[in-house]
Amino acid sequence: DTGVSQDPRHKITKRGQNVTFRCDPISEHNRLYWYRQTLGQGPEFLTYFQNEAQLEKSRLLSDRFSAERPKGSFSTLEIQRTEQGDSAMYLCASRRGGDNEQFFGPGTRLTVL
Amino acid sequence: DQQVKQNSPSLSVQEGRISILNCDYTNSMFDYFLWYKKYPAEGPTFLISISSIKDKNEDGRFTVFLNKSAKHLSLHIVPSQPGDSAVYFCAASANNNDMRFGAGTRLTVKP
Repeated sequence: DTGVSQDPRHKITKRGQNVTFRCDPISEHNRLYWYRQTLGQGPEFLTYFQNEAQLEKSRLLSDRFSAERPKGSFSTLEIQRTEQGDSAMYLCASRRGGDNEQFFGPGTRLTVL
Repeated sequence: DQQVKQNSPSLSVQEGRISILNCDYTNSMFDYFLWYKKYPAEGPTFLISISSIKDKNEDGRFTVFLNKSAKHLSLHIVPSQPGDSAVYFCAASANNNDMRFGAGTRLTVKP
């Protein structure tokens, strides 16, 4: 098992553009989480999936953000009409349903110019 | 809402000495607490955890203590090693739901 992977690792975009990130969780993990981390802060919860169902969304997840996990395996996070305030590290994590520990991917660093 | 707080942004200790990282929480519903370690350009790595039914959990050089009445937990690293230098995040969850993280403490272990 190679752990949680995320792609791309870095993304630079211009304000107003759309971006999409991908997360591949650990294969037997049915829960998948998205977090955002800015400088000097801990990860902030955005949303999570149990299998393909999106069960919770943070109020941080504005209507410009959408996440999917169509087959209960990999997930995508799309940000439409990016703003400079969207610049952050976007982290994905996964875990088995009965466990508490989440395992994180390396993150995607987004820079919006 | 800052439900999990790490009030020390940084800590510096000498190699071989004890490192103590502190964390406070406000939500009495939290029943599971975790510590993560993060190196630059990597995602957080799970380090150690504790359930609210315990007050101590030990794993090698790492020990986590939980004081529920004070809503406080701490991570002890002894002896500290230069490779322990990283940012440490405290996290908490309630009923196996999503986690809330503190802002992190940057530990520097000097040789």
